[in-house]
Amino acid sequence: AQKITQTQPGMFVQEKEAVTLDCTYDTSDQSYGLFWYKQPSSGEMIFLIYQGSYDEQNATEGRYSLNFQKARKSANLVISASQLGDSAMYFCAMREGLYSSASKIIFGSGTRLSIRP
Amino acid sequence: DVKVTQSSRYLVKRTGEKVFLECVQDMDHENMFWYRQDPGLGLRLIYFSYDVKMKEKGDIPEGYSVSREKKERFSLILESASTNQTSMYLCASSPAGGHFETQYFGPGTRLLVL
Repeated sequence: AQKITQTQPGMFVQEKEAVTLDCTYDTSDQSYGLFWYKQPSSGEMIFLIYQGSYDEQNATEGRYSLNFQKARKSANLVISASQLGDSAMYFCAMREGLYSSASKIIFGSGTRLSIRP
Repeated sequence: DVKVTQSSRYLVKRTGEKVFLECVQDMDHENMFWYRQDPGLGLRLIYFSYDVKMKEKGDIPEGYSVSREKKERFSLILESASTNQTSMYLCASSPAGGHFETQYFGPGTRLLVL
């Protein structure tokens, strides 16, 4: 079974609009972390935002916010006021067993976001 | 800033060749990881290491091996390259433990096996 599901392979959004990238996850752990990464065409993976399973507040980092709905096991990324430079591949990821030194991160299949001028 | 470097950005090899992909990190991280990235499949973990000389299989270890003789260096080895190993290979590192542990990625190596 997929641990991380991103149902939108590609999205087109007009510049300056807000965009929501969907992510659902599956885990039986009580402590886990959720991540979003951005991968521009150059290939490097850029960490954007993190949400811990016990965090009460939704994480925010500048124009990025994570809409965390624990009961629904969803961790959508919201980008406000999109810019042309936001065009990239976006990956949702999860780390289970937060307090284990050797725990690994599992990635979704990604969403390709394209911003139209 | 954390720096993770990979020995090559692009590599072309022939079927049956032995291939070495090198990864070096300069932040004294305990954990290091090798992923391959294919369209529509995201990143899949091949192997990871949480200490020198330690290694753990990831989700798709078949056809690969790894070596970690020094803390800063983690090598991925394709013993006999095959065309289905054509892919983008990403190395990452992270510190051990802690509530928050992101991974820091290298720039990737695009491997083409002919």
